[in-house]
Amino acid sequence: GQQVMQIPQYQHVQEGEDFTTYCNSSTTLSNIQWYKQRPGGHPVFLIQLVKSGEVKKQKRLTFQFGEAKKNSSLHITATQTTDVGTYFCAALGSSNTGKLIFGQGTTLQVKP
Amino acid sequence: DAGITQSPRYKITETGRQVTLMCHQTWSHSYMFWYRQDLGHGLRLIYYSAAADITDKGEVPDGYVVSRSKTENFPLTLESATRSQTSVYFCASSESMVGTQYFGPGTRLTVL
Repeated sequence: GQQVMQIPQYQHVQEGEDFTTYCNSSTTLSNIQWYKQRPGGHPVFLIQLVKSGEVKKQKRLTFQFGEAKKNSSLHITATQTTDVGTYFCAALGSSNTGKLIFGQGTTLQVKP
Repeated sequence: DAGITQSPRYKITETGRQVTLMCHQTWSHSYMFWYRQDLGHGLRLIYYSAAADITDKGEVPDGYVVSRSKTENFPLTLESATRSQTSVYFCASSESMVGTQYFGPGTRLTVL
């Protein structure tokens, strides 16, 4: 079945450093969503990407969808302690089981 | 506006007992989902429902039963709890199968 691989699993950065998490699939994706889960909290929707090569920004967060629609990335510029949490990608395959498949998540720790 | 709620928030039970986790949403979303979250596995879909009286299996349905007699409620029952079902359970709702998912606060279940 379709799988979505997310790397790295963990990342520790110093406050002010940049951070990137990657989401990869062996199959073409119809769309991809990104969620953030704060420690002890629940996943919260951040953004959805649909178009090949799409780039969207939310303040210090930049989301990209690959040209081949098989990968995506989330980049945070100048991390802050408020960025701490686990970031999940969730994708719908173009072969379409009709279900979103979540990646394993990348847990970000930020040292002040 | 309560959004989506889950109860109980914490539950300790014993092996072999029946446990029901409740989920209630106030948005009249058609779709509802149950996930379990375990370290290293991210979010795994247990069951989902497209509408009242329509449910379908997700990735890890064994040992779980769901029902949806009303649009706003989607209870998850563990008929005979096992230690491997110790996990954090999240309910989510969405307007569509692939739209933004809104997660409840989660239920932390421990099976002794």
